[in-house]
Amino acid sequence: DGGITQSPKYLFRKEGQNVTLSCEQNLNHDAMYWYRQDPGQGLRLIYYSQIVNDFQKGDIAEGYSVSREKKESFPLTVTSAQKNPTAFYLCASSMAWGSGANVLTFGAGSRLTVL
Amino acid sequence: AQSVTQPDIHITVSEGASLELRCNYSYGATPYLFWYVQSPGQGLQLLLKYFSGDTLVQGIKGFEAEFKRSQSSFNLRKPSVHWSDAAEYFCAVLGNEKLTFGTGTRLTIIP
Repeated sequence: DGGITQSPKYLFRKEGQNVTLSCEQNLNHDAMYWYRQDPGQGLRLIYYSQIVNDFQKGDIAEGYSVSREKKESFPLTVTSAQKNPTAFYLCASSMAWGSGANVLTFGAGSRLTVL
Repeated sequence: AQSVTQPDIHITVSEGASLELRCNYSYGATPYLFWYVQSPGQGLQLLLKYFSGDTLVQGIKGFEAEFKRSQSSFNLRKPSVHWSDAAEYFCAVLGNEKLTFGTGTRLTIIP
C-alpha cells in the first residue's frame, strides 16, 4: 500500500543533542512537508520541498534543518538551537506544489520529548 | 495572509445526534478549503475538500460541508454521529500556494 512512513514513533532527547526524524513516501509525490503540532495551536509549517534537491523555510524553521536528496525521503533534523523542541511532528506529501494539487497525505507522526 | 478560525475548542455530543463544526476563513480570493480528521496520536486524514462548483460537498464517513462565501464559512456536518467519530477535526484553507490550518476542534461522543 502507498503511504508515508515516519520513524521513530517516539523519541527522547537530552538537551543539547541533535535528532533526526525520518520520513519516507512511496506515493511518487513531488512535494513534501514537515509540520509541528502543539496542543491548541494547530499545525505549523516548518519546511517544505517542492522537488528533489530543493527546499524552502516555512513559518517556524529556526532550529530545524532538512535535506531532499531523494524524491521519496525528506528527513528533519531538530538541532540544539531549537529552544522548545518537545512536540508532535508530522510529515506530509502531495502530488505537486500549489493549487488543486495541494491535497496532503500525512504520516502517523513522531513524538519528540526533550528530557 | 489567510487565516482560519475554529471557534469551538471542544464539543461533546451524544451518539446518534447531529453534529456541526464551525470554520471561518479569511482570504481575499476564492479559497480552496479542506477538512481533516486526526485520531489520537495519529496523522491527519482528508475528510473532504472544496475547490469550486457545488457549494455542498460530500466526504468520507458520512460527513458533508457547505461553503458559504457571504459568511466566509465552511462548516462541517454529520446527521448522526458514531462513537468512532471521536477525534480532532481541522479546517484548512489554501491560499497563495500555502495551506493554513485552524487550531482544531476536539469532538467527544457520549453514549
